[in-house]
Amino acid sequence: DAGVIQSPRHEVTEMGQEVTLRCKPISGHDYLFWYRQTMMRGLELLIYFNNNVPIDDSGMPEDRFSAKMPNASFSTLKIQPSEPRDSAVYFCASSPGGGRAQHFGDGTRLSIL
Amino acid sequence: DQQVKQNSPSLSVQEGRISILNCDYTNSMFDYFLWYKKYPAEGPTFLISISSIKDKNEDGRFTVFLNKSAKHLSLHIVPSQPGDSAVYFCAASEHPGANNLFFGTGTRLTVIP
Repeated sequence: DAGVIQSPRHEVTEMGQEVTLRCKPISGHDYLFWYRQTMMRGLELLIYFNNNVPIDDSGMPEDRFSAKMPNASFSTLKIQPSEPRDSAVYFCASSPGGGRAQHFGDGTRLSIL
Repeated sequence: DQQVKQNSPSLSVQEGRISILNCDYTNSMFDYFLWYKKYPAEGPTFLISISSIKDKNEDGRFTVFLNKSAKHLSLHIVPSQPGDSAVYFCAASEHPGANNLFFGTGTRLTVIP
């Protein structure tokens, strides 16, 4: 079975540019999560969806960040405009119901110059 | 503020010996705890979990111990193998059905052959 698929795996762009990260969850999983990993703070939950509806976006750092889930098989995390402090590894995860162990993608390593 | 803390960023252990990874938490509402394992360039994978109604859960070479009064949990790996070398993340949620997982910053385990 295919796991959670994220693209791109690496992204290097200049400050001020728009960045779009993509995620395809595991089929049948009704929860989707976006995380950011940094050395200082570890894995931080940014936002999560249930049945394509955003449930909690309190972890989104600021208005420059937005996330959408137009259907059950696709989600995007967008940063506009990007800043150097956004450099991190961004993970998408999905789970088959609340509270179950989450399945993570391999992440997108984002570098903002 | 980090609600889940892993104070040891790294740990080295000889092959065959016991590895003990520690985790502390501050939120007394946390009721469910998980450990994830992460290899380089991959996403975290679920390893083992424990509910607060238990103080121990075992799965093969992996055992998680929970001390609620001390707000402390630990992961024991016996015997340690070189393939166990990875970053281990501790995570917690307020109940098994909760969707929000709070992660620590991780401990890098190196098992020396």
